Amino acid sequence: DTGVSQNPRHKITKRGQNVTFRCDPISEHNRLYWYRQTLGQGPEFLTYFQNEAQLEKSRLLSDRFSAERPKGSFSTLEIQRTEQGDSAMYLCASSLVEGNEQFFGPGTRLTVL
Amino acid sequence: SQQGEEDPQALSIQEGENATMNCSYKTSINNLQWYRQNSGRGLVHLILIRSNEREKHSGRLRVTLDTSKKSSSLLITASRAADTASYFCATDPYNNNDMRFGAGTRLTVKP
Repeated sequence: DTGVSQNPRHKITKRGQNVTFRCDPISEHNRLYWYRQTLGQGPEFLTYFQNEAQLEKSRLLSDRFSAERPKGSFSTLEIQRTEQGDSAMYLCASSLVEGNEQFFGPGTRLTVL
Repeated sequence: SQQGEEDPQALSIQEGENATMNCSYKTSINNLQWYRQNSGRGLVHLILIRSNEREKHSGRLRVTLDTSKKSSSLLITASRAADTASYFCATDPYNNNDMRFGAGTRLTVKP
């Protein structure tokens, strides 16, 4: 257990539905990252926050993806109008400062039927 | 986009043997990190090596970095069955705010 938690751990949804995932980072960590990982691949960076500021979001996969970190603590990742191609593991990580090791949560596995 | 490429894609060895995995990357970096992932689980940080370092050790792990060749290697000595996992290198590029992972090396250590 790295201290980063993600909920839910598994989500099954029907195509076209919206889903929201939550990440609770290590409390003193300023940086929070979201990644997507598909089978047999490494994590793919989506976006990151420094406290409550979203400093990079150009790598979000489409405008159906959005993320928030309203009070600089937990974060949510929302996918609207899900598609089957969104099925993947969504990983959250946090770090104390830029360039330091990232601590990963267990991930949320999304299945879109 | 992926930055690092691990080699080999898969490696199978006997317990007690050493395992060497390689990583190549494309752009200048601040640091390079190695992570381990057990099947279906999150990633666990193993070791970080900064761009001005050439070698680093942590327990049974030894990491090298050659910035002129844009490559790194991870050596696991005296492997154990519990080392069976996927191993990823990740780079922290200059002037970018993301961390880029390769596709990983899947290591199997047979008891």
